[in-house]
Amino acid sequence: DAGVIQSPRHEVTEMGQEVTLRCKPISGHNSLFWYRQTMMRGLELLIYFNNNVPIDDSGMPEDRFSAKMPNASFSTLKIQPSEPRDSAVYFCAWRTNSGNTIYFGEGSWLTVV
Amino acid sequence: AQSVAQPEDQVNVAEGNPLTVKCTYSVSGNPYLFWYVQYPNRGLQFLLKYITGDNLVKGSYGFEAEFNKSQTSFHLKKPSALVSDSALYFCAVRGAQAGTALIFGKGTTLSVSS
Repeated sequence: DAGVIQSPRHEVTEMGQEVTLRCKPISGHNSLFWYRQTMMRGLELLIYFNNNVPIDDSGMPEDRFSAKMPNASFSTLKIQPSEPRDSAVYFCAWRTNSGNTIYFGEGSWLTVV
Repeated sequence: AQSVAQPEDQVNVAEGNPLTVKCTYSVSGNPYLFWYVQYPNRGLQFLLKYITGDNLVKGSYGFEAEFNKSQTSFHLKKPSALVSDSALYFCAVRGAQAGTALIFGKGTTLSVSS
């Protein structure tokens, strides 16, 4: 456990609803990443931030997806409106200021029905 | 562009036998290479990394990996497999430039039989 909190851990929602996933990483990081994992596509990088600034969002699949990092200790990934094909595990990950290793949270398991 | 290939979807090995999970990469400049393990319904756990120095890197749970620059490979190895090693293993790479993200392979499922 590298000290990050992702919430919710599990979410089941109906198609068309808004979904907000949250990440609270440990202090002392300077990079934060959002990944999505599915059986078909494996682990995909959606977006990442350096010092709270979005650097590369080319992995965000559609305009329905958005991510924010209002401060160094909090980030959100929002899907609006959600669709069944968004069902996946969404991971928040971070890299510390002093290292090269990326550490993952336990993930948010999203099911859109 | 950087990329990672894990050519095997699944590796099966008997307990006590050596195991190898293969990984090849493509990146501009010097690579930073990583292995992660994922157990069912869990997040990814860091196993080991190669940044620079000795080509043989030792990591958690008795795993090691060998960096081979000429073959652009970073295969994961363990001399004696345990049933508890059964999991999904990911190889990842990024360039040496500061602030870049990790790109992951598709993953290899390791199954160790007793």
